[in-house]
Amino acid sequence: AQTVTQSQPEMSVQEAETVTLSCTYDTSESDYYLFWYKQPPSRQMILVIRQEAYKQQNATENRFSVNFQKAAKSFSLKISDSQLGDAAMYFCAYRRYGNKLVFGAGTILRVKS
Amino acid sequence: KAGVTQTPRYLIKTRGQQVTLSCSPISGHRSVSWYQQTPGQGLQFLFEYFSETQRNKGNFPGRFSGRQFSNSRSEMNVSTLELGDSALYLCASSLVQGSDTNEQFFGPGTRLTVL
Repeated sequence: AQTVTQSQPEMSVQEAETVTLSCTYDTSESDYYLFWYKQPPSRQMILVIRQEAYKQQNATENRFSVNFQKAAKSFSLKISDSQLGDAAMYFCAYRRYGNKLVFGAGTILRVKS
Repeated sequence: KAGVTQTPRYLIKTRGQQVTLSCSPISGHRSVSWYQQTPGQGLQFLFEYFSETQRNKGNFPGRFSGRQFSNSRSEMNVSTLELGDSALYLCASSLVQGSDTNEQFFGPGTRLTVL
């Protein structure tokens, strides 16, 4: 079974600084999708960024970018120019078939002003 | 376009009772997935429905069931509630099932407390 591991239960970053959240996963498949989701205190989960495993280029979405290392099964999220609104729980997730997402345990990100 | 709606938002039940939660997907979306979120177990996949058929199921006991209607609205039911069923239940909708560009949109969740 696929598993997703987020080894950082909590991270802190100063406003305007850069932070990297770690994620590793275990799968025997070669085609899959990886995601980072953000869950603010209001609880509405939103998609931050996605990566298709067949694409070598790392995905970027404005201040958010990933470092996808397929061989190492690593998928980290970098947030640049951190803002107060970035404070949330961040989940790394894996998807193979259908719409079943396998989530990591999450990382709480705190942003200090 | 309205987002995913879940009703009720909060629910308190007692052990042994049953409960039904509802999810209305974004208009035009045909796939609905359900997740249970607890502090101890994190986010776990319950099941997925597409075109009124269950397409995928997680490792939950038979007390957890669901269905999808012809308008894509979905309900999940938990019978014989246990204290451990206390959780935030999230619903996610998507246009199709698992395509390359498919994005899942989550609802605000239903907070179930079992006393």
